[in-house]
Amino acid sequence: VQLVESGGGLIQPGGSLRLSCAASGLTVSSNYMSWVRQAPGKGLEWVSVIYSGGSTYYADSVKGRFTISRDSSKNTLYLQMNSLRVEDTAVYYCAREYEGNYYMDVWGKGTTVTVSS
Amino acid sequence: QSALTQPASVSGSPGQSITISCTGTSSDLGDYNYVSWYQQHPGKAPKLMIYEVSNRPSGISNRFSGSKSGNTASLTISGLQAEDEAEYYCSSYTSSSYVIFGGGTHLTVL
Repeated sequence: VQLVESGGGLIQPGGSLRLSCAASGLTVSSNYMSWVRQAPGKGLEWVSVIYSGGSTYYADSVKGRFTISRDSSKNTLYLQMNSLRVEDTAVYYCAREYEGNYYMDVWGKGTTVTVSS
Repeated sequence: QSALTQPASVSGSPGQSITISCTGTSSDLGDYNYVSWYQQHPGKAPKLMIYEVSNRPSGISNRFSGSKSGNTASLTISGLQAEDEAEYYCSSYTSSSYVIFGGGTHLTVL
């Protein structure tokens, strides 16, 4: 089982970025999948989840700006990030939330997003 | 919502036991048994160590154990080893914002 994130980079405030998380050994659309981020030198922060049934939830800090989605044909999870702020700078991890029980048992290695002018 | 409260650091000598506390409220770990613990080494992704308060995933040493009393959860590591030195995060379901993490505790093995 493996999750591989991509799409991070340097972006100016107000810009947009789409992160991808390619899965192998698990089916994205059959699992609860989350994004968790970690600002430099800081702790973990849950960002968003998409249920196997398609429902989505977001942290207040990103609601209205970020959108989680998936592509079953590519077995890939996405995070569309708009109106980026300096405080969105972080390593973004995708993770499987095991059977919707609020714990993440499979993690990717992360992709770094830097929002700076 | 504020993060769960963890001590910034703990330390212990090889072979000793340490306990890391994680304090929340009745809106999160106080009312729910969806408490988990993660280990993170520098530059690495978090690793699940304990789920649902006291369950260990396959492959995790039985030196790691979890418990909960009231609004406080605890992670105990017995027989400390050098490789246990890492950052540890607790996490809980929260009725207000889905999942919340603690601020992290740095474990130093002396």
